[in-house]
Amino acid sequence: KAGVTQTPRYLIKTRGQQVTLSCSPISGHRSVSWYQQTPGQGLQFLFEYFSETQRNKGNFPGRFSGRQFSNSRSEMNVSTLELGDSALYLCASSLVRTSNTGELFFGEGSRLTVL
Amino acid sequence: AQTVTQSQPEMSVQEAETVTLSCTYDTSESDYYLFWYKQPPSRQMILVIRQEAYKQQNATENRFSVNFQKAAKSFSLKISDSQLGDAAMYFCAYRTPTEKLVFGKGTKLTVNP
Repeated sequence: KAGVTQTPRYLIKTRGQQVTLSCSPISGHRSVSWYQQTPGQGLQFLFEYFSETQRNKGNFPGRFSGRQFSNSRSEMNVSTLELGDSALYLCASSLVRTSNTGELFFGEGSRLTVL
Repeated sequence: AQTVTQSQPEMSVQEAETVTLSCTYDTSESDYYLFWYKQPPSRQMILVIRQEAYKQQNATENRFSVNFQKAAKSFSLKISDSQLGDAAMYFCAYRTPTEKLVFGKGTKLTVNP
């Protein structure tokens, strides 16, 4: 079974631009979560989607948005990029939202550099 | 708000030795789950071990075990017979059944041959 796939793996943008990152969960998984990882702040929760609905949201500005499609694939978008948005963006999927195992399966991440 | 603290930014251990990584958390919930995740260099994060708060018995997965002290809100990870492949960032994480996963800042583990 294929794992969580994130595209693109690396990208460079300039301030003010926008970016869209894509995540394909493990087949059959309906929940997708997004995390931002930086050396200074560590791993911070962005949002969680389940059955095309945002179920939970972290403390990020409105420039960060996301969506989930009927096939459970998810995208996140960051508009008006700032230097501080440079980070590794991780996507994780799980079978069901309230799984008592709480186990998330992570992708390898999309590394965004903002110049 | 729930917080997770890993007080050791870096740790090192000799191959075949035992090392313990510390984690404390803050919560007012009684029902929650705790996890240790491993992130090898340039590789994806994987689950190492998990513990349900209602279980008094400490979880064990092969060479990995935890010391869960609920009253002290402490959740340490012990790695026995350390191997070179154990070198990675280790993240402690907390989650309630319907909430997001909250991670600590991580501990970088180096395994010396």
